[in-house]
Amino acid sequence: KAGVTQTPRYLIKTRGQQVTLSCSPISGHRSVSWYQQTPGQGLQFLFEYFSETQRNKGNFPGRFSGRQFSNSRSEMNVSTLELGDSALYLCASSSGTGSEQFFGPGTRLTVL
Amino acid sequence: AQTVTQSQPEMSVQEAETVTLSCTYDTSESDYYLFWYKQPPSRQMILVIRQEAYKQQNATENRFSVNFQKAAKSFSLKISDSQLGDAAMYFCAHYLGNAGNMLTFGGGTRLMVKP
Repeated sequence: KAGVTQTPRYLIKTRGQQVTLSCSPISGHRSVSWYQQTPGQGLQFLFEYFSETQRNKGNFPGRFSGRQFSNSRSEMNVSTLELGDSALYLCASSSGTGSEQFFGPGTRLTVL
Repeated sequence: AQTVTQSQPEMSVQEAETVTLSCTYDTSESDYYLFWYKQPPSRQMILVIRQEAYKQQNATENRFSVNFQKAAKSFSLKISDSQLGDAAMYFCAHYLGNAGNMLTFGGGTRLMVKP
């Protein structure tokens, strides 16, 4: 089985721009979660989607949004980028509640 | 809200020796899961071991084992016969099954393995 894939792997944007990151889960997995990893704040949960529905959302401003498609692929969007949005964005997929979450390699976003 | 604390920012161990990484958590729930994840320099998060809170028996996976103390809300990871490939960041994580698939992570412990 192919693992979780994330595209792009690296992104450089400037303040005020918007960005869309993509995550393709393991085949058959219906849950996709997103996390932000920074040196200062560590790993923080952004949101989780299951069967195209957002089930949970972390404490992030409304500039961070996401969606999930019928094939379980998920995208997250960050609008009006700020310098503090520079981070590694990780997505994880799982088959259901309580199951192991498999992480993708991450997208490294740099905001200049 | 759940919190996870890893009090050791860095640890080092001699190759072939044993090391224990500490983790404490706080939750008011009784049904949850605990995990240890490894993040090598490649940044790929890898599940090391998992523990269901309702199970009294400590989980083991080859050289990795945990000491789960539910009443004390403690969840330490023991790595036996340490290998150079064990060098990485280790994250303890708490998971509530009724809150969507949300993991709450500790701040991490950087493990260095000396040859």
